[in-house]
Amino acid sequence: EVQLVESGGGLVKPGRSLRLSCTASGFTFGDYAMIWFRQAPGKGLEWVGFIRSKAYGGTTEYAASVKGRFTISRDDSKSIAYLQLNSLKTEDTAVYYCTRDEGAGVLDYWGQGTLVTVSS
Amino acid sequence: QPVLTQPPSTSASLGASVTLTCTLSSGYSNYKVDWYQQRPGKGPRFVMRVGTGGIVGSKGDGIPDRFSVLGSGLKRYLTIKNIQEEDESDFHCGAHHGIGSDFVWVFGGGTKLTVL
Repeated sequence: EVQLVESGGGLVKPGRSLRLSCTASGFTFGDYAMIWFRQAPGKGLEWVGFIRSKAYGGTTEYAASVKGRFTISRDDSKSIAYLQLNSLKTEDTAVYYCTRDEGAGVLDYWGQGTLVTVSS
Repeated sequence: QPVLTQPPSTSASLGASVTLTCTLSSGYSNYKVDWYQQRPGKGPRFVMRVGTGGIVGSKGDGIPDRFSVLGSGLKRYLTIKNIQEEDESDFHCGAHHGIGSDFVWVFGGGTKLTVL
């Protein structure tokens, strides 16, 4: 059974950092691009960024709203994707989800999310 | 990049049918759209992909036959027949756009389905 479990969320002050983890099981993690989304309270889904599989260079792309502040990485040996959040702003408050790209952009499995609250 | 527009809410009675609509912005009539279901407090769940020819590929795991899609022009539809209590959810439509480093996923604002 495919499972994605996010962790690492919490309450953090503006300007501080946080690292989120997405622990995968039930599939060959290294074969898939992993994508991060977020959902602010009462809002829709916003794409944050993604990391390609090593077969496609393991490179990353980011939304303009987080580029330069957020970094995605992966450890295929542990089946974990990371989202490093730096220079956090109050508008980064959201539930953060990880998902995998099954192919051609189909996001077939998602985690349950982890809440990040940025507040002084 | 495309903009996806969804009505914020709709309702339907138990056992009835409902059609949810996702509208692409002008110039993107050839785009495929993915539908996702999000139950309260849960992560999204892939439902299926739709283009102008209807479903593209397979439904998501566990999606019942009561769910179907159609596409026409700039509109992408998700129809749910014989609505059940467990269908009460937010439904999101999304699409990916671009290639290489110019790549984004975009989503509509979501439609909240209330089962009466």
